[in-house]
Amino acid sequence: DAGVTQSPTHLIKTRGQQVTLRCSPKSGHDTVSWYQQALGQGPQFIFQYYEEEERQRGNFPDRFSGHQFPNYSSELNVNALLLGDSALYLCASSRDRDEQYFGPGTRLTVT
Amino acid sequence: GESVGLHLPTLSVQEGDNSIINCAYSNSASDYFIWYKQESGKGPQFIIDIRSNMDKRQGQRVTVLLNKTVKHLSLQIAATQPGDSAVYFCAEMGGATNKLIFGTGTLLAVQP
Repeated sequence: DAGVTQSPTHLIKTRGQQVTLRCSPKSGHDTVSWYQQALGQGPQFIFQYYEEEERQRGNFPDRFSGHQFPNYSSELNVNALLLGDSALYLCASSRDRDEQYFGPGTRLTVT
Repeated sequence: GESVGLHLPTLSVQEGDNSIINCAYSNSASDYFIWYKQESGKGPQFIIDIRSNMDKRQGQRVTVLLNKTVKHLSLQIAATQPGDSAVYFCAEMGGATNKLIFGTGTLLAVQP
């Protein structure tokens, strides 16, 4: 049984560019949450998807958007990248509000 | 605002000793608490959780204690091993929200 998977593992982008990160949830999970983790900090909640809709959103600008597909996988899109967007982006899956299991993350570097 | 904080940013213990990592939370509406372990270059790994209708829960070598009166959470690791070296985060979820609120983490360093 595969756990949560994310792609790519590492990514380097230039300021102003756009990026798409992908997440496949653990088998049997229907909810995907995205978090941003800056170096030396705890993860910060970006948003959560359930039944293909954004159910809740954290304090992130509209440049951050997402999508959930019928197979429960999800994408995180960030437009107009800033240097401050450099971070580890984590995807977590769960069955609704049950415990969230995290993937290995995507390390995004914006130069 | 909401916050989950840790009392000690770094904890150094000898192999075989017991470790205690503490966490304070401020949102009295939180009803679900989780401890995660994060090793370098990896995502957070679920360790143990507890709901607000309990004050203690035990797992394999780990125990979580919840004191709602003083809004305090702790993680106890018995017979700490070198493989336990990592950053430990407490996280809370509460009220009508579905988001986890994390603290800044405690680095546990196990000395052989």
